Amino acid sequence: DGGITQSPKYLFRKEGQNVTLSCEQNLNHDAMYWYRQDPGQGLRLIYYSQIVNDFQKGDIAEGYSVSREKKESFPLTVTSAQKNPTAFYLCASSILLAANYGYTFGSGTRLTVV
Amino acid sequence: DQQVKQNSPSLSVQEGRISILNCDYTNSMFDYFLWYKKYPAEGPTFLISISSIKDKNEDGRFTVFLNKSAKHLSLHIVPSQPGDSAVYFCAMYSGGGADGLTFGKGTHLIIQP
Repeated sequence: DGGITQSPKYLFRKEGQNVTLSCEQNLNHDAMYWYRQDPGQGLRLIYYSQIVNDFQKGDIAEGYSVSREKKESFPLTVTSAQKNPTAFYLCASSILLAANYGYTFGSGTRLTVV
Repeated sequence: DQQVKQNSPSLSVQEGRISILNCDYTNSMFDYFLWYKKYPAEGPTFLISISSIKDKNEDGRFTVFLNKSAKHLSLHIVPSQPGDSAVYFCAMYSGGGADGLTFGKGTHLIIQP
């Protein structure tokens, strides 16, 4: 079955630590995205990538980094520079330039700073 | 400034009646509009969409309406069922969506028995 897998489902981070959230898709989608959801907020775009070895900052990229070495994988690193990292993180993928095609989302990773 | 607004954080509807969720936007460049449904601790699932060249799209119990002049999008669910209880997000993009979707803050729909 094709889909997007995010891991881990729950993650705890100590102050000052970097952590990496995994996102893998086997849908053969070109584009991948990272969103953050906070309580009472919509989804806000962190980073996105349209092709391998290329990515762009979204609306709230500060304190985050990504890589896209393979089409299937788009890991997100939450660095110590991110001042308020506790949130629900969602990865998504899509076919590029398919105007009638929605994004497919993973099941999310809940990150908590302890 | 918020480009996409869902002004009702929550909505309670009796089972069997019509649920109407609303979304307003400010960016006239948006040309494709989607609705997603989300349960707690899960990713959103795609529900229905509409392009800017249409004003209505129907899929079973779900109908999406687009009023471009008013920059207003709505989702009608009829009849409402208990399984429809979830948070609904409207989302939209321009130019093929390669630069990401812009989401509203969501409306929590509660279906009362």
